Amino acid sequence: QKEVEQNSGPLSVPEGAIASLNCTYSDRVSQSFFWYRQYSGKSPELIMSIYSNGDKEDGRFTAQLNKASQYVSLLIRDSQPSDSATYLCAVRYGGATNKLIFGTGTLLAVQP
Amino acid sequence: DAGITQSPRHKVTETGTPVTLRCHQTENHRYMYWYRQDPGHGLRLIHYSYGVKDTDKGEVSDGYSVSRSKTEDFLLTLESATSSQTSVYFCAISESRGTMNTEAFFGQGTRLTVV
Repeated sequence: QKEVEQNSGPLSVPEGAIASLNCTYSDRVSQSFFWYRQYSGKSPELIMSIYSNGDKEDGRFTAQLNKASQYVSLLIRDSQPSDSATYLCAVRYGGATNKLIFGTGTLLAVQP
Repeated sequence: DAGITQSPRHKVTETGTPVTLRCHQTENHRYMYWYRQDPGHGLRLIHYSYGVKDTDKGEVSDGYSVSRSKTEDFLLTLESATSSQTSVYFCAISESRGTMNTEAFFGQGTRLTVV
């Protein structure tokens, strides 16, 4: 079992719709969770970080964390064509080493 | 933008030759990471460092070694390059504040081709 799993997609949504991206992780001691966006040929850039159970909202983005179910999600409201990219889920494990593991990413395509 | 510089940005090398990629940061962050990115595999952790001279293996460390002799530099060496190591390599840095871990920032990537 991979440490961090995502559906590779592509996930296709119409402009203005809500895009829902999901991620599961295997290690129960994981402490920090991140969503990155990566455009083709570019470096990943951080969208959201979440550390405790529940929802965290930032503009059109909402991250949701459920540690009991080992599940993290990202909702994008009012999706725009400029949101079309690969979304990477990342999990940081506890302890002194701060090991940071990424999922394979989900390709999102927002159709105009 | 976080001060992270990867060098070189592009490199073509021959099978069997050693190659060293450099990651330089000006943020004084404690943690540094090397990832490779290939289609269908996302970002895979090669090696990471949690302090000067403190490093550990990631998911795909075979054929790679690293060194960190000072806070600002993290070197990735392909001991004898193979075609399977053709990839895009990303360096990332992060810090922690108390019990809170901050996000990782990425360099611009190095595209390595082994022929």
